[in-house]
Amino acid sequence: AQSVTQPDIHITVSEGASLELRCNYSYGATPYLFWYVQSPGQGLQLLLKYFSGDTLVQGIKGFEAEFKRSQSSFNLRKPSVHWSDAAEYFCAVVAGGSQGNLIFGKGTKLSVKP
Amino acid sequence: KAGVTQTPRYLIKTRGQQVTLSCSPISGHRSVSWYQQTPGQGLQFLFEYFSETQRNKGNFPGRFSGRQFSNSRSEMNVSTLELGDSALYLCASSMDPSSTDTQYFGPGTRLTVL
Repeated sequence: AQSVTQPDIHITVSEGASLELRCNYSYGATPYLFWYVQSPGQGLQLLLKYFSGDTLVQGIKGFEAEFKRSQSSFNLRKPSVHWSDAAEYFCAVVAGGSQGNLIFGKGTKLSVKP
Repeated sequence: KAGVTQTPRYLIKTRGQQVTLSCSPISGHRSVSWYQQTPGQGLQFLFEYFSETQRNKGNFPGRFSGRQFSNSRSEMNVSTLELGDSALYLCASSMDPSSTDTQYFGPGTRLTVL
């Protein structure tokens, strides 16, 4: 069965520092992968998605992610974190051939130190 | 263009009652999905609807049901509420269930069961 693992529950970085959030997936075929962000009291906002092609995907707000099939990973990166990036980040994979049926990781909460 | 709308935003019920949550998708979107978010279980898929038909259903008891109307608006119902049903219920919409289509989430309905 498909699954998504986000090994880090909580990460704290200093403002201006680089960020990498880890995501590992379990899926037999080529996965469709997503990163979402959730601010407190809000719904989920799509940061980026990977379906096929170039393994380095650019998203909104300066985020990017790299798909590595050999490592079953889809890590999210940002070169310089801003205080407004503090939020919870979720990695997800499509289950059952429809984007309406996503399997999410448990999330990584990002705190940003001034 | 207006985003996904969920009503009500907050709801307090007591055990044994039933509740109905509503979701209005983005105009033109015909696919609606529902997710439950709790601190313990994270984000879990409930159902997916497209053109008034349920396409997928998550692993939830029969107390959880849903439907979609001809205008693509969707409702979900939870009968005989239990304390464990306290959660943020998120609705998401997309134009169709294609795995490559972008899915947009609403702000959620926060259900508290006392």
